[in-house]
Amino acid sequence: GNSVTQMEGPVTLSEEAFLTINCTYTATGYPSLFWYVQYPGEGLQLLLKATKADDKGSNKGFEATYRKETTSFHLEKGSVQVSDSAVYFCALSEGYGNKLVFGAGTILRVKS
Amino acid sequence: GAVVSQHPSRVICKSGTSVKIECRSLDFQATTMFWYRQFPKQSLMLMATSNEGSKATYEQGVEKDKFLINHASLTLSTLTVTSAHPEDSSFYICSARARKGADGYTFGSGTRLTVV
Repeated sequence: GNSVTQMEGPVTLSEEAFLTINCTYTATGYPSLFWYVQYPGEGLQLLLKATKADDKGSNKGFEATYRKETTSFHLEKGSVQVSDSAVYFCALSEGYGNKLVFGAGTILRVKS
Repeated sequence: GAVVSQHPSRVICKSGTSVKIECRSLDFQATTMFWYRQFPKQSLMLMATSNEGSKATYEQGVEKDKFLINHASLTLSTLTVTSAHPEDSSFYICSARARKGADGYTFGSGTRLTVV
């Protein structure tokens, strides 16, 4: 079946540090890939997405590139802020609107 | 954009009682809604897929008689936790499949259920 594996957290960084959160996936077909962010006590918000190989999703300074050859979708940001502290989930879905499969989530803590 | 309203945001109930959580799509029709459960510091576990006008499809291991899902209209799905026990305490999140929106999924803000 489909699955998503994320690096374990928590990840603790100083403000303006470079961020990488690794995500790899297993899928039978050609999934769409997503990164969601969850702030404390809230639901999930879409951060970025990519729907086919070599696509790069980007939003709010975050980027991730769909790498079919390595089945990866690593999240990066060049300079994190305290306000980026949250839980980040990598997810996939096969087919538009089909159920999402989530990774375990990675807690990011940014210190000022 | 597509907005999903989930209510209540927090609820405390006594063991043995039932609790209903509502998920509404405010500006779009949602033929499909998803219910997730999230344990502390863990990922989201899909509980069931709710389709308007038909029975919900439950994931393996989820008790359908305990977690009743009703999707009576294109804008409302409800999850009722029946005969709640402390182990049902969790964060429940709904998601609706929108025809518009960045990725077709819009999430509610979640409901923190505490059973005492």
